[in-house]
Amino acid sequence: EAGVAQSPRYKIIEKRQSVAFWCNPISGHATLYWYQQILGQGPKLLIQFQNNGVVDDSQLPKDRFSAERLKGVDSTLKIQPAKLEDSAVYLCASSWGRDTNTEAFFGQGTRLTVV
Amino acid sequence: AQSVTQPDIHITVSEGASLELRCNYSYGATPYLFWYVQSPGQGLQLLLKYFSGDTLVQGIKGFEAEFKRSQSSFNLRKPSVHWSDAAEYFCAVGAGYGGATNKLIFGTGTLLAVQP
Repeated sequence: EAGVAQSPRYKIIEKRQSVAFWCNPISGHATLYWYQQILGQGPKLLIQFQNNGVVDDSQLPKDRFSAERLKGVDSTLKIQPAKLEDSAVYLCASSWGRDTNTEAFFGQGTRLTVV
Repeated sequence: AQSVTQPDIHITVSEGASLELRCNYSYGATPYLFWYVQSPGQGLQLLLKYFSGDTLVQGIKGFEAEFKRSQSSFNLRKPSVHWSDAAEYFCAVGAGYGGATNKLIFGTGTLLAVQP
């Protein structure tokens, strides 16, 4: 079974530029998550989708971050414009359901460096 | 508010020695608790989880964890550490069970180094 795929693996941009990350979840998984992991911290949920609807985006900085999951499968996370403090690893995860007792499988992440 | 505390930022153990990583949580109801491991450049891999029942939970790679409600703790243990166990370990609590979201709240992680 293929895992959660993310691209690119690494990205370096200048502040005020825009960037987009892509995630392909495990086939059949209805729930998709984007987490932000800043160096020295644990991952923090940015947004959770159930199929193509948003379940939780309470910690998404909506003035600069956006995410979509148009067909309930792949998802993109965009930052525009980027700030230095956005430097982090962006992890995508998926699970078949949204109950807490269903395991979330994580991708390898995209490491973003904003200079 | 739910939170997870991992008091040890960095731990070094000798190969073959026992290991215990500490985790304390704050949660209003019965928590769903998890331990994840993250190797360099890799995503998070689930080691084990506690939902209910037996408070001693067995996981993969020879790890186990014990849920102690009275101490609000969920410490991770391994009787004999291997060099390949060197990684960062994250404790997490599942928030919002049965509600609209099942997001995970993570601790800050413990970086494990293994000496030969």
